[in-house]
Amino acid sequence: AQSVTQPDIHITVSEGASLELRCNYSYGATPYLFWYVQSPGQGLQLLLKYFSGDTLVQGIKGFEAEFKRSQSSFNLRKPSVHWSDAAEYFCAVGVGVSNYQLIWGAGTKLIIKP
Amino acid sequence: DAGVIQSPRHEVTEMGQEVTLRCKLISGHNSLFWYRQTMMRGLELLIYFNNNVPIDDSGMPEDRFSAKMPNASFSTLKIQPSEPRDSAVYFCASSKDRGPGNEQFFGPGTRLTVL
Repeated sequence: AQSVTQPDIHITVSEGASLELRCNYSYGATPYLFWYVQSPGQGLQLLLKYFSGDTLVQGIKGFEAEFKRSQSSFNLRKPSVHWSDAAEYFCAVGVGVSNYQLIWGAGTKLIIKP
Repeated sequence: DAGVIQSPRHEVTEMGQEVTLRCKLISGHNSLFWYRQTMMRGLELLIYFNNNVPIDDSGMPEDRFSAKMPNASFSTLKIQPSEPRDSAVYFCASSKDRGPGNEQFFGPGTRLTVL
């Protein structure tokens, strides 16, 4: 069965430090992969997506993610975090005949230390 | 563009009451998703519409839940009768077309509390 695993429920980093959020998926076909961010009290916003081509994708707000097929991973990175990056981050994989349905990870809450 | 609009933002009701949540899609979008988010179960897809037609309602928890799209830009999610376990944040999201290449734009959500 398709699944998405985000192994870290919470991550705390200092402002200015680098960040990597992990995402592993289980899906038999070529995955369509997404990272969304949810700020407190808000809906989810797309950060970036991967369908094919270059395995390193750039997104908004200075985020990037790398697709590694051999590891079934799609980790999100940012070289230097800002206090405004404090939010919950969700990884998702598109599945189904038309891939409209997104299988969501449980989310990783990012806490920024001043 | 105003984005996806949901109302109300907060709803507190008593068990047994009918609850109606509303969603206005982004103009030009033709796919609509209703999600429920709880601490215990995370983000769950309840129902998906494409061109006003329900395509997948397998996530609707039970018959107490119903969703409609009376026109191309508006949807409602109704719970009747409501129960305390329905307490959650309900999101709707829209996209321009079906398929994975199309970003889902989320509304701000409705926080439902059933006492």
